[in-house]
Amino acid sequence: RKEVEQDPGPFNVPEGATVAFNCTYSNSASQSFFWYRQDCRKEPKLLMSVYSSGNEDGRFTAQLNRASQYISLLIRDSKLSDSATYLCVVNKGGGADGLTFGKGTHLIIQP
Amino acid sequence: DTGVSQDPRHKITKRGQNVTFRCDPISEHNRLYWYRQTLGQGPEFLTYFQNEAQLEKSRLLSDRFSAERPKGSFSTLEIQRTEQGDSAMYLCASSQSRFGYTFGSGTRLTVV
Repeated sequence: RKEVEQDPGPFNVPEGATVAFNCTYSNSASQSFFWYRQDCRKEPKLLMSVYSSGNEDGRFTAQLNRASQYISLLIRDSKLSDSATYLCVVNKGGGADGLTFGKGTHLIIQP
Repeated sequence: DTGVSQDPRHKITKRGQNVTFRCDPISEHNRLYWYRQTLGQGPEFLTYFQNEAQLEKSRLLSDRFSAERPKGSFSTLEIQRTEQGDSAMYLCASSQSRFGYTFGSGTRLTVV
């Protein structure tokens, strides 16, 4: 089983719709969780951290379920500029292991 | 520009040649990471430095790969005797803590 698993998509979604991505992680010792966004042929950029209590940043909401080892990202009122690959990321802690990335979910917002 | 800088942006090399990539992290960041990303995959962790100490290198892909950070500032990643399978994007990231990674734009390597 891969450490971080995501549906690669692509998700084709009309502009203005709500879209949700999920990911699961295998290491129960994982301590911190993130969503990164990566545009085509660009570097990954931090979108938001994910907290157990759930957190929101504008149109984006992230949720973490430690018991099920499941992370989600919800995008409301999607914009054309949201088209990108969304990478689910976990950190086992301690720094030396670095971040573990999923393969990413490719999102295409259609006008 | 105070971001993470990587050089070169693109490198085309013949199989069997050695290549070296450079990363200049954000100046106040003491942690530096190297990742490799192939098409359709997420970045894959390679190695980690805290200041000049390489604290994790077991994930380097083979003994052809090595990294240095001699003065705790910039870092280099070297691949010896390149193979076609080494073609990928090599990303460097820096951070001040175990959060808040900032990635550079990467070096895209093509081995022909």
